Amino acid sequence: ETGVTQTPRHLVMGMTNKKSLKCEQHLGHNAMYWYKQSAKKPLELMFVYNFKEQTENNSVPSRFSPECPNSSHLFLHLHTLQPEDSALYLCASSHGEGPTNEKLFFGSGTQLSVL
Amino acid sequence: GESVGLHLPTLSVQEGDNSIINCAYSNSASDYFIWYKQESGKGPQFIIDIRSNMDKRQGQRVTVLLNKTVKHLSLQIAATQPGDSAVYFCAEISLYNNNDMRFGAGTRLTVKP
Repeated sequence: ETGVTQTPRHLVMGMTNKKSLKCEQHLGHNAMYWYKQSAKKPLELMFVYNFKEQTENNSVPSRFSPECPNSSHLFLHLHTLQPEDSALYLCASSHGEGPTNEKLFFGSGTQLSVL
Repeated sequence: GESVGLHLPTLSVQEGDNSIINCAYSNSASDYFIWYKQESGKGPQFIIDIRSNMDKRQGQRVTVLLNKTVKHLSLQIAATQPGDSAVYFCAEISLYNNNDMRFGAGTRLTVKP
């Protein structure tokens, strides 16, 4: 158990659906991240929140919308996704930005399939 | 362009043998490196890190070696066990690029009993 919990573990959705991924961390961290993991590709950073403020949006399409209501919770709202968006979506947290704080704690991910 | 990559996508070893997983990086400004382990159905888990002012760091059964001359990073696992079977990622962080972190594609380690 890493202290980072993601729900749901699996999600199947149609291209017209709206769904949300949830992440919660119990580590007292100040930074939270969304990563996309596709087969045979490196982890792709999507969004970074530090002290609830979004500090990075890595050119992610607007059909992905993050929300960080507090330092412990992070959401990823999904709308009109494409089949190529099917992937494992990983949430992570860290103490805060800075190299000594880049030790990331990952959740187990949400395996998303877009039909 | 800058990249982080792995020499071998898969590695198969016998239980009890030592494993060596390699990683090449091309950004000479990177000064902090991390190895992560990802087991099936789980997220990546931190294993060990090393700063660029070091060339070797040891943990429990794991050793990371850094060769800045050839921009090469390796992870050595001693007495490999079945529980070590996983995908291993290296990551580099550059202090001079807003702490930009980049991951390699990963190497799958399979331990045969």
